[in-house]
Amino acid sequence: DTGVSQDPRHKITKRGQNVTFRCDPISEHNRLYWYRQTLGQGPEFLTYFQNEAQLEKSRLLSDRFSAERPKGSFSTLEIQRTEQGDSAMYLCASRQSSGAHNEQFFGPGTRLTVL
Amino acid sequence: AQSVTQPDIHITVSEGASLELRCNYSYGATPYLFWYVQSPGQGLQLLLKYFSGDTLVQGIKGFEAEFKRSQSSFNLRKPSVHWSDAAEYFCAVAGWSSNTGKLIFGQGTTLQVKP
Repeated sequence: DTGVSQDPRHKITKRGQNVTFRCDPISEHNRLYWYRQTLGQGPEFLTYFQNEAQLEKSRLLSDRFSAERPKGSFSTLEIQRTEQGDSAMYLCASRQSSGAHNEQFFGPGTRLTVL
Repeated sequence: AQSVTQPDIHITVSEGASLELRCNYSYGATPYLFWYVQSPGQGLQLLLKYFSGDTLVQGIKGFEAEFKRSQSSFNLRKPSVHWSDAAEYFCAVAGWSSNTGKLIFGQGTTLQVKP
């Protein structure tokens, strides 16, 4: 399967714990995006990478959140000291950078539940 | 500020009936517009996109959308709905002048199809 994959698909954690999610983009895509989707809402942009460089971060990305893409391939999103408000679906997408209109391909998401 | 509004949170149509999902956007420059569909447990799938040219665009699964600049709208239509079209639909905008490619989504419309 050459689509975007995310791991894990579901994560249940207790408040105050740290969690890390992984995203593997389509191999030839140099742009990688993270979005957060809460129940009943559309996805909201969190951050994006071009290759290994993180080029933009949303104000939604508090200092408890950190994202990396160390070799320009897979990416990780870590949330420290989780709060109940962090419960959401975390979506990853990738695309080629050439052409602003190129389609973003989305992964299935990681659903986080913070108890 | 850039925004997307989907006025209808939930729509129910009978199988075989026509469908129109509304989308209004607010963007200061020429927008790139998208419609995505999300089925339970699935990632977002692109139905169609508009960048320039013909304001009526055709997509997959028999969907089409019409861009109306004067109304800041990009409504999605399908002449005959199938039960498998039941899902959540998202309209999104990306900035033509922005090279980030990040998408701004509406809150979504949930489509229910009656047999």
